[in-house]
Amino acid sequence: AQSVTQLGSHVSVSEGALVLLRCNYSSSVPPYLFWYVQYPNQGLQLLLKYTTGATLVKGINGFEAEFKKSETSFHLTKPSAHMSDAAEYFCAVRGDDKIIFGKGTRLHILP
Amino acid sequence: GAGVSQSPSNKVTEKGKDVELRCDPISGHTALYWYRQRLGQGLEFLIYFQGNSAPDKSGLPSDRFSAERTGESVSTLTIQRTQQEDSAVYLCASSLSARLAPGELFFGEGSRLTVL
Repeated sequence: AQSVTQLGSHVSVSEGALVLLRCNYSSSVPPYLFWYVQYPNQGLQLLLKYTTGATLVKGINGFEAEFKKSETSFHLTKPSAHMSDAAEYFCAVRGDDKIIFGKGTRLHILP
Repeated sequence: GAGVSQSPSNKVTEKGKDVELRCDPISGHTALYWYRQRLGQGLEFLIYFQGNSAPDKSGLPSDRFSAERTGESVSTLTIQRTQQEDSAVYLCASSLSARLAPGELFFGEGSRLTVL
């Protein structure tokens, strides 16, 4: 079985500041990890994913995430926030079979 | 079709009625998921189909919920004797392959269910 915990249901950052959204997972097998984004009034879309190989993965819109096995984490970062980054972000894990999502983190960008 | 299609996009029903929600996945996608998203909540896993294997129904919240899939095509999620707590957006997603590699999930726009 697998599970995902996203710390913070709401995160606010100033425009231009670092974005850090936290995700911890549990899985009985080596996991595949994902971040999805849901912009206002839009469907979910893939931001980035980790399967195997390089632990630092880059996604769209300047986001990246690092898989840390020892910490069972897959935190999402972006060096400089933009107003257009305001959205809800979901971390997801696939362990043995199905894909399970976290509860989501709503990112607010302050001008 | 070009993307995952869900119908109806909106459904308002009375408590106790049955509803059917339909999902047309992307052609060729072997994996199909149903998730529920209640207002202000995350995505709650409901059921997962992979090819012709037995579906994983471990997320269905009660025996009022059921889902079927015809081969690797259309899926229907049925909710019997709807309750107000069933009000949510029901999301369908499909993926090219689940067992061989973790393919990207492509989501539909969702079916918004309101139970009065």
